[in-house]
Amino acid sequence: AQSVSQHNHHVILSEAASLELGCNYSYGGTVNLFWYVQYPGQHLQLLLKYFSGDPLVKGIKGFEAEFIKSKFSFNLRKPSVQWSDTAEYFCAVNHGSSNTGKLIFGQGTTLQVKP
Amino acid sequence: DTAVSQTPKYLVTQMGNDKSIKCEQNLGHDTMYWYKQDSKKFLKIMFSYNNKELIINETVPNRFSPKSPDKAHLNLHINSLELGDSAVYFCASSQVPTSRAGELFFGEGSRLTVL
Repeated sequence: AQSVSQHNHHVILSEAASLELGCNYSYGGTVNLFWYVQYPGQHLQLLLKYFSGDPLVKGIKGFEAEFIKSKFSFNLRKPSVQWSDTAEYFCAVNHGSSNTGKLIFGQGTTLQVKP
Repeated sequence: DTAVSQTPKYLVTQMGNDKSIKCEQNLGHDTMYWYKQDSKKFLKIMFSYNNKELIINETVPNRFSPKSPDKAHLNLHINSLELGDSAVYFCASSQVPTSRAGELFFGEGSRLTVL
């Protein structure tokens, strides 16, 4: 069965530190990849997505992610985090050829940025 | 104006009761979803409707019944509530199915607690 693994469950960083959150998936076919973020007290929202083309994807708020097909990975990065990046981050994947669009989420990573 | 709204936001009820959660989206999207987030933060899809037609029906107890009276509404009715049903239920919508890299727009979630 298709699955998504986020290896870092809880990450604590100081402001200005660099961030990389790991995401691996288990499906070998064409995939669409997403990162969603949930800020405290807010709803989940899209950070960035990949469906084709350049494997380095830029998202909102200075985030980027790189799709490495050979490693089945879609890691999220930010060169310098801010206190306002404190949130839950969810990686998600689905079959690119599916008609139904079932999106599989990872367990999420809690990022805490200390001022 | 809230794009995807769910009611109620909090629901506390006794085992064995029947309850409903309502969802409405004002984005003009064709596809709507119900996700369940358990205590370990895993987000799992339960149902998806496209133009009022059920397109995803995951392995969910038949005590859970979705109803889509029109494209803008997707309600979730749960019969004979059990302790294990306690979770946060998220409604979402997308302009195109996520298999075509459609972005999900989430509601704020409905926290159900079964005593």
